[in-house]
Amino acid sequence: RKEVEQDPGPFNVPEGATVAFNCTYSNSASQSFFWYRQDCRKEPKLLMSVYSSGNEDGRFTAQLNRASQYISLLIRDSKLSDSATYLCAPRAYGGSQGNLIFGKGTKLSVKP
Amino acid sequence: GAGVSQSPSNKVTEKGKDVELRCDPISGHTALYWYRQSLGQGLEFLIYFQGNSAPDKSGLPSDRFSAERTGGSVSTLTIQRTQQEDSAVYLCASAEGGGYGYTFGSGTRLTVV
Repeated sequence: RKEVEQDPGPFNVPEGATVAFNCTYSNSASQSFFWYRQDCRKEPKLLMSVYSSGNEDGRFTAQLNRASQYISLLIRDSKLSDSATYLCAPRAYGGSQGNLIFGKGTKLSVKP
Repeated sequence: GAGVSQSPSNKVTEKGKDVELRCDPISGHTALYWYRQSLGQGLEFLIYFQGNSAPDKSGLPSDRFSAERTGGSVSTLTIQRTQQEDSAVYLCASAEGGGYGYTFGSGTRLTVV
């Protein structure tokens, strides 16, 4: 099993749609999780942190399911500007220290 | 500075030459990370510095790669005897501590010809 798996997509959705991405991780000891967005030929930018069961920030909701070892990202009322690749990143080791392991990302394209 | 600064932004080098890539993290950030991203691929962890602790070098792909962080601030990633497979975008990130999310720099695009 790969350390972090994401559906590569692309997810093509119309403006205003709700879209959800899942990410599975293999290290059951991971304690903290992050979602990043990456625009084409740009660096990743931190979108959300997930430390417990979930987190919500405006149109974005992240949920963590430790038993099944996956995290999800829900985007409501999609905007054209949401078009990007979304990277899931659990911490590599247990505890609160150490590097993140990044998935290859899910590509989202929001159409008018 | 306001963000993580990397230089150069682009580097073209001949196979076999050595290169140095520089990262200036956000002031006060104790954690610093190097990753690389090849075209169409995910981010590959290289090395992690946390304060004065010994760095985690577990991601370095070969002994041609090394990195140092002087004075707990600026970091330099050195690649000796570059090979074509070293071509990638090298990304540096910093964080307030080891448990926080990162802020990435805009990267150095390395092309080995």
